[in-house]
Amino acid sequence: ELKVEQNPLFLSMQEGKNYTIYCNYSTTSDRLYWYRQDPGKSLESLFVLLSNGAVKQEGRLMASLDTKARLSTLHITAAVHDLSATYFCAVDSSGTYKYIFGTGTRLKVLA
Amino acid sequence: EAGVAQSPRYKIIEKRQSVAFWCNPISGHATLYWYQQILGQGPKLLIQFQNNGVVDDSQLPKDRFSAERLKGVDSTLKIQPAKLEDSAVYLCASSSRDRGHLNTEAFFGQGTRLTVV
Repeated sequence: ELKVEQNPLFLSMQEGKNYTIYCNYSTTSDRLYWYRQDPGKSLESLFVLLSNGAVKQEGRLMASLDTKARLSTLHITAAVHDLSATYFCAVDSSGTYKYIFGTGTRLKVLA
Repeated sequence: EAGVAQSPRYKIIEKRQSVAFWCNPISGHATLYWYQQILGQGPKLLIQFQNNGVVDDSQLPKDRFSAERLKGVDSTLKIQPAKLEDSAVYLCASSSRDRGHLNTEAFFGQGTRLTVV
């Protein structure tokens, strides 16, 4: 059974700082997705990573995928308050288009 | 492009009552999902449809939960009878399950927040 773990679970950081969120998964997959969820809201798609070595960037966020290590990272550069949210990674279980979500990382950026 | 539509947005029921949620996916999306998200946790897949057929319902508590997707478009999720632990947000999502399509991610609706008292 595919398991997806994220760390840290909670992250409080100062504006302007850099940090990385990690997403590990237990079985082979070459498709990984990052989502953002604001309190009381639904999930917004951020990145789609479809192959080993894939790197995507949007604004202050950059996501990468290492399928051999079964690891994805979401790097935050020079954080701003607007990035405060919960971030989830989701893995496509063996190409079945069944998206298994991680535990989530609750990010709080302090002004 | 219209997104995934869900209703109702909120529902409060007493335990042992029944409740139903409705979802209309993005037009043309063959795959539809129902997820349960308990406060503070990641979404948990309950059931996955491909057109009007069930692909995976291994995590659906079938003694009380049921779901259908008639005609391969809209879907309903029902809980009968509800328990206190069913309090959660129920999210519907859809995706274009086509290997030639670049956007393979699931798109989510606003969800239905269920409170069982």
